[in-house]
Amino acid sequence: EQLVESGGGVVRPGRSLRLSCAASGFTFNNYAIHWVRQSPGKGPEWVALIWYDGSDKFYLDSVRGRFSISRDNSKNRVFLEMNNLRPDDTALYFCARERREFGGFGGAFDIWGQGTRVTVSS
Amino acid sequence: QSGLTQPPSASAPPGQRVTISCSGGSSNLASNAVNWYQHLPGTAPKLLIYSNDQRPSGVPDRFSAFTSGTSASLVISGLQSEDEADYYCASWDDSLGGHVVFGGGTKLTVL
Repeated sequence: EQLVESGGGVVRPGRSLRLSCAASGFTFNNYAIHWVRQSPGKGPEWVALIWYDGSDKFYLDSVRGRFSISRDNSKNRVFLEMNNLRPDDTALYFCARERREFGGFGGAFDIWGQGTRVTVSS
Repeated sequence: QSGLTQPPSASAPPGQRVTISCSGGSSNLASNAVNWYQHLPGTAPKLLIYSNDQRPSGVPDRFSAFTSGTSASLVISGLQSEDEADYYCASWDDSLGGHVVFGGGTKLTVL
């Protein structure tokens, strides 16, 4: 059971990035997936959630309207499209699996990726 | 967005017991379960406790937790040096359309 993130990088403010999270070793389309970020010297901050079938999505207030979460269950992948990036979006971004099958409103993340780093700087 | 409040630090000598608190409110801990994470530098957080008091397989029974109203506590018994880490509580919050909220974290030092 594994999650692997990719797509991070260094971008200027106002630009976009698309993060990807590839899953393996479990029945991907039974699980909600979250994105969580951690800025240097700070604790984790939840960013977004997508329901196991993609039918529902939730966002951190400060990213709503700029970030969009999606998934392709045929390819076992979740994506985070980040637009109009700001310096305070700089962080290590993790994707994480909600522990309970067909659940999402839990905040119990039992599998995490290794993270992909996003730096927003001019 | 509303949050969960944790003490910034805690400490105890090896072999002793330490309790880390997490205080929430009506939109999170009053109606949603709490989860606890252990975070070591350079790694992803590790789920220690879910659904208020359940341990995932592989987590030692030295780690336990309980809730009371809008507060939760993580208890670590028989402290070991490898328990030195940051600990975070997290819960679903029903406000602002729904989101997951983390506590600010507690740095545990094993003296």
